[in-house]
Amino acid sequence: QPVLTQPPSASGTPGQRVTLSCSGSSSNIGSNTVNWYQQLPGTAPKLLIYSNNQRPSGVPDRFSASKSGTSASLAISGLQSEDEADYYCASWDDSQNGSGAFGGGTKLTVL
Amino acid sequence: EVQLLESGGGLVQPGGSLRLSCAASGFSFSSYAMSWVRQAPGKGLEWVSGINYSGGSTYYADSVKGRFTISRDNSKNTLYLQLNSLRAEDTAVYYCATVTTVTTLRSDYWGQGTLVTVSS
Repeated sequence: QPVLTQPPSASGTPGQRVTLSCSGSSSNIGSNTVNWYQQLPGTAPKLLIYSNNQRPSGVPDRFSASKSGTSASLAISGLQSEDEADYYCASWDDSQNGSGAFGGGTKLTVL
Repeated sequence: EVQLLESGGGLVQPGGSLRLSCAASGFSFSSYAMSWVRQAPGKGLEWVSGINYSGGSTYYADSVKGRFTISRDNSKNTLYLQLNSLRAEDTAVYYCATVTTVTTLRSDYWGQGTLVTVSS
């Protein structure tokens, strides 16, 4: 079971704003930064957000993210059909000797 | 242009071994930490292993600890993952990725992946 918890699915209509959640614990999100990745079908993941709320160059400002305590969220405003993809949160986990942790992913459907 | 090219995947029997390679180009490989992430068919991403820029520090997921070994050759701009004692549940596409540091999990660049299938 993934260390970070994400809802398996979400949906929205074009132009809508959707928010995806990611829940963790004090050993991961609570003490480390969160990244978000977008994965289109059949392709490698793409970095969408790093350090909780920073966008790499080239990522539209329709994508934003935040972190509070042991949870994080990704918001997509002005939803577009090309946003239909799987979204993963990721954070380091300090338990035991430390390891990387991904959420189980949320499949976003644009209706 | 940054490129990461994985190779070495294939079909292997349970208990067998494989060595994956990730050839890097277009950036200063020796300045970057690297990681391996895998994705089982139809499943989500799973972090497998990470290594710092020099190779002096390595990290593993509990699911592969003692069976997989990550290493790098900075003179060849290549990252490796030795997979031993393979199990059916290791079947996945294996991606190599740059990371700012191992513990940030910030991966700006990813390879296209190489498929490992463990089956008799």
